[in-house]
Amino acid sequence: GAVVSQHPSWVICKSGTSVKIECRSLDFQATTMFWYRQFPKQSLMLMATSNEGSKATYEQGVEKDKFLINHASLTLSTLTVTSAHPEDSSFYICSARVPLGESGSASGNEQFFGPGTRLTVL
Amino acid sequence: GENVEQHPSTLSVQEGDSAVIKCTYSDSASNYFPWYKQELGKRPQLIIDIRSNVGEKKDQRIAVTLNKTAKHFSLHITETQPEDSAVYFCAALYSGTYKYIFGTGTRLKVLA
Repeated sequence: GAVVSQHPSWVICKSGTSVKIECRSLDFQATTMFWYRQFPKQSLMLMATSNEGSKATYEQGVEKDKFLINHASLTLSTLTVTSAHPEDSSFYICSARVPLGESGSASGNEQFFGPGTRLTVL
Repeated sequence: GENVEQHPSTLSVQEGDSAVIKCTYSDSASNYFPWYKQELGKRPQLIIDIRSNVGEKKDQRIAVTLNKTAKHFSLHITETQPEDSAVYFCAALYSGTYKYIFGTGTRLKVLA
């Protein structure tokens, strides 16, 4: 249980274009998902919390108009990087909180991660 | 803001020896502390976690200890093997939310 998928695994785009990344919980319903960015040899930086059926909550310093998050169903959250620039190149990883009662959850606080998307903006 | 400090940033041990990674958190209301292992280019994987109502938890060669008073928690790996080589991240649950605050990571190398 508690499997999270992410698509695509890697993407190369031109500067100024938009890129959409999908995060899916495969065997459980995730009311809360998270989007992180990770630069080489650095820790995971939380960008935003994605809540099913409501607006995402962005961390300080993260531009909500640039990183659009949609959580339209209990198993899917999407992150769209709009007008991408080379400095947006990074490893983007989503995670999903496993609700109490689901396989893989003993406290309702566990997060399982997707495999990540490596974005390269030329 | 809330913060999690992690030490050391790199750690090299001989195969069979023990490895200890330490974290300190600032949010006294944090009550859940997971540890993740991340291999190069891959997703972080949950390896063990501990809740604030216990002081220690063990799973085979891995154990985590928590000192709530000092706001410290540590990961202990015994009988290390080369496949334990990876980056390890500690995290603390940000109180009142489901958000994690991650430590800066420890790159563990187990030398054969």
